[in-house]
Amino acid sequence: QQQVKQSPQSLIVQKGGISIINCAYENTAFDYFPWYQQFPGKGPALLIAIRPDVSEKKEGRFTISFNKSAKQFSLHIMDSQPGDSATYFCAATFLGNQFYFGTGTSLTVIP
Amino acid sequence: GAGVSQSPRYKVAKRGQDVALRCDPISGHVSLFWYQQALGQGPEFLTYFQNEAQLDKSGLPSDRFFAERPEGSVSTLKIQRTQQEDSAVYLCASSPRYLAGTDYTGELFFGEGSRLTVL
Repeated sequence: QQQVKQSPQSLIVQKGGISIINCAYENTAFDYFPWYQQFPGKGPALLIAIRPDVSEKKEGRFTISFNKSAKQFSLHIMDSQPGDSATYFCAATFLGNQFYFGTGTSLTVIP
Repeated sequence: GAGVSQSPRYKVAKRGQDVALRCDPISGHVSLFWYQQALGQGPEFLTYFQNEAQLDKSGLPSDRFFAERPEGSVSTLKIQRTQQEDSAVYLCASSPRYLAGTDYTGELFFGEGSRLTVL
């Protein structure tokens, strides 16, 4: 059973546009929700993360919106740039003992 | 070193061969994880160490997979009698503190992975 469901699978956005990636989870015990960014041939790198007691977290152009009642969270990339082109993974964990990753979203930002 | 180092970066094995994949975590990192990433998929948990203790190995797909971290630093993932379905990128990640508790950051530092191709 997929613990974290991610959509869309791929996304194409014009430079300067907003990229939105959505995730849904099942386990209400999850207490930490990170987003990872992965470039080809590299390992994932932490981008931004949120805990369920907060509805939104913003770091620069990246914002996580969290809806606890709907068990959903999303990543918004404002003013998307070609350098943001990468694969993005949402994840969830309970006490950090095991991280469950989504299936990934391939983002392409067109100049 | 500056980051998590994995070797070899690429490994081609014939079906039935044994392989060993090495992970050098960031110095001082207590926790170490192994993940398997199939093409076009997200990382799937394999196993987790806290220092030298293997606390969770529930993700290892079969008894052909074995991981160890004997001195609480370098870890090795061994796959015996490799099968074609074992072809994937094997990612190692370390974290600087005990992850249980309320003060963890949850940040995993990943290596670049070892790409295993089984022919």
